[in-house]
Amino acid sequence: RKEVEQDPGPFNVPEGATVAFNCTYSNSASQSFFWYRQDCRKEPKLLMSVYSSGNEDGRFTAQLNRASQYISLLIRDSKLSDSATYLCVVVANTGGFKTIFGAGTRLFVKA
Amino acid sequence: DTAVSQTPKYLVTQMGNDKSIKCEQNLGHDTMYWYKQDSKKFLKIMFSYNNKELIINETVPNRFSPKSPDKAHLNLHINSLELGDSAVYFCASSQQGSGSEKLFFGSGTQLSVL
Repeated sequence: RKEVEQDPGPFNVPEGATVAFNCTYSNSASQSFFWYRQDCRKEPKLLMSVYSSGNEDGRFTAQLNRASQYISLLIRDSKLSDSATYLCVVVANTGGFKTIFGAGTRLFVKA
Repeated sequence: DTAVSQTPKYLVTQMGNDKSIKCEQNLGHDTMYWYKQDSKKFLKIMFSYNNKELIINETVPNRFSPKSPDKAHLNLHINSLELGDSAVYFCASSQQGSGSEKLFFGSGTQLSVL
């Protein structure tokens, strides 16, 4: 089982749609969680951290369920500029902090 | 004023050659990393350095040797390049390496081994 698993997609949605991405992780001792965004042929950039109580940043909402070892990202009112790959990221302390990236979910938002 | 800069952006070379990728960060961060993103888009950590000291060394062949002359630089030297080394290599940095911090990535080096 992969340490961090995501549905690879692609998700093809029209502008204005709401889309949700899921992510599961295998290490129950994981302690920090993030969503990164990666545009084609570019470097990953932090989209948002994920907190236990859930958190929102504009059109983006992230949630964490530690019991189920599950993380989600909800994008409301999708824009063309949201088209990218969304990477689920989990940090575990294994004698040093190890950041593990999921393979990413590709999103295409169409006009 | 790029925060994390790596060179070269593209590297095309023959099997068996030795090559280096350089990385510099001007953010004053203590921790630097090398990641490899393969054709399947998995981004995997290779090395992590904190204040010039090796913290994480994943199961990377010893043909890969990171060098950190100071905490603002982490270079990657690769000996005897193989076809399977073809990938995009990203350098990154973070404030302290505490695990709860944002990672700042360089723009990547696309390595193609022929």
